[in-house]
Amino acid sequence: NAGVMQNPRHLVRRRGQEARLRCSPMKGHSHVYWYRQLPEEGLKFMVYLQKENIIDESGMPKERFSAEFPKEGPSILRIQQVVRGDSAAYFCASSQWQASYEQYFGPGTRLTVT
Amino acid sequence: KQEVTQIPAALSVPEGENLVLNCSFTDSAIYNLQWFRQDPGKGLTSLLLIQSSQREQTSGRLNASLDKSSGRSTLYIAASQPGDSATYLCAVLNSMDSNYQLIWGAGTKLIIKP
Repeated sequence: NAGVMQNPRHLVRRRGQEARLRCSPMKGHSHVYWYRQLPEEGLKFMVYLQKENIIDESGMPKERFSAEFPKEGPSILRIQQVVRGDSAAYFCASSQWQASYEQYFGPGTRLTVT
Repeated sequence: KQEVTQIPAALSVPEGENLVLNCSFTDSAIYNLQWFRQDPGKGLTSLLLIQSSQREQTSGRLNASLDKSSGRSTLYIAASQPGDSATYLCAVLNSMDSNYQLIWGAGTKLIIKP
């Protein structure tokens, strides 16, 4: 049973470009969480999704950021018109059920904005 | 609002020593607490997960304890080795509002000197 997959592992974008980060949850998991780790800072919750539903996006910046988890395919975190402050490690986690169950983490995507 | 603090922020000890990392949290209404390891530029490795009803968990040379009432957890590493050098992160899952967001400490950066 493969773990949580994230791609790409490293992504370089110029200011103003779009970044798309993908996350494939563990098999049988229908709950996905995105966290961001800014340089030299702790991880912060961004968004919680179930299939075709955004449950909580309270940790997402109000502009330029969006997330989806379609019925088929991976979850996508999309950042439009990236700025240098978006440079960070973005981690995806999945769980089998909601709330109190253990979240399993992917290897992360390291975004660098030049 | 739950806050997680890890002390010390950094720790350097000679190889072979036993050591303790500390994690404190402000709201005792948690489902579980988890310790992770993060190597530089790498992903997150889950070390130990303690459910709120448990007092401790052990894995090899690692032992994590939980005192929910006082809002504290410790990670004990026995007979430390240079390969233990990494940043250790503590995260809690609340049992009340937003009980799917992991709340993270800023981490303890551990260096084991050969």
